[in-house]
Amino acid sequence: DGGITQSPKYLFRKEGQNVTLSCEQNLNHDAMYWYRQDPGQGLRLIYYSQIVNDFQKGDIAEGYSVSREKKESFPLTVTSAQKNPTAFYLCASSIVGTGPYEQYFGPGTRLTVT
Amino acid sequence: AQKITQTQPGMFVQEKEAVTLDCTYDTSDPSYGLFWYKQPSSGEMIFLIYQGSYDQQNATEGRYSLNFQKARKSANLVISASQLGDSAMYFCAMREGLGTPLVFGKGTRLSVIA
Repeated sequence: DGGITQSPKYLFRKEGQNVTLSCEQNLNHDAMYWYRQDPGQGLRLIYYSQIVNDFQKGDIAEGYSVSREKKESFPLTVTSAQKNPTAFYLCASSIVGTGPYEQYFGPGTRLTVT
Repeated sequence: AQKITQTQPGMFVQEKEAVTLDCTYDTSDPSYGLFWYKQPSSGEMIFLIYQGSYDQQNATEGRYSLNFQKARKSANLVISASQLGDSAMYFCAMREGLGTPLVFGKGTRLSVIA
């Protein structure tokens, strides 16, 4: 089955530690995205990538880093510089182009930092 | 300025009735796409319906239809014959130009009452 996997579903970390969230897709999509969602809020873009070895900052990139070494994988690192990292993180992928190319989302990772 | 505005934080609808969820958008790009997603309490994002800026007819997908009024920059989602399983958060989103990430509104929480 084609889709996007994110692991783990729940993640707990102590303040001051970096943590990496995994995102893998087997849809052969060129573009991948990371969003953050806070309770009762919409999705805010952290980073996105339209091609391997290239990525762009979104609206709230500070305190986060990404890599895109393979087409299938787009891991997100939440660094200790991120002031408020507790949130729900969603990874997505899509075809690059105009038209009805929706973004497919993974199941998300709930990160709690104490 | 917000690109996507959803003015209804919460809505209630009786089972089997129709409901309209509002969405207005702001763009100067003549080529854009509008998307609606459903997010149940599990957190997954489910794509519902797409409307392109050049589409002449309103999009429909089963019980979902999109009331697209280009001059008013609105793209309201209509759900007919509401079911209990429709209770969820609903997000309106827009893509401008080629392959750019979706920009999301803050969402509307729909509650279907038996």
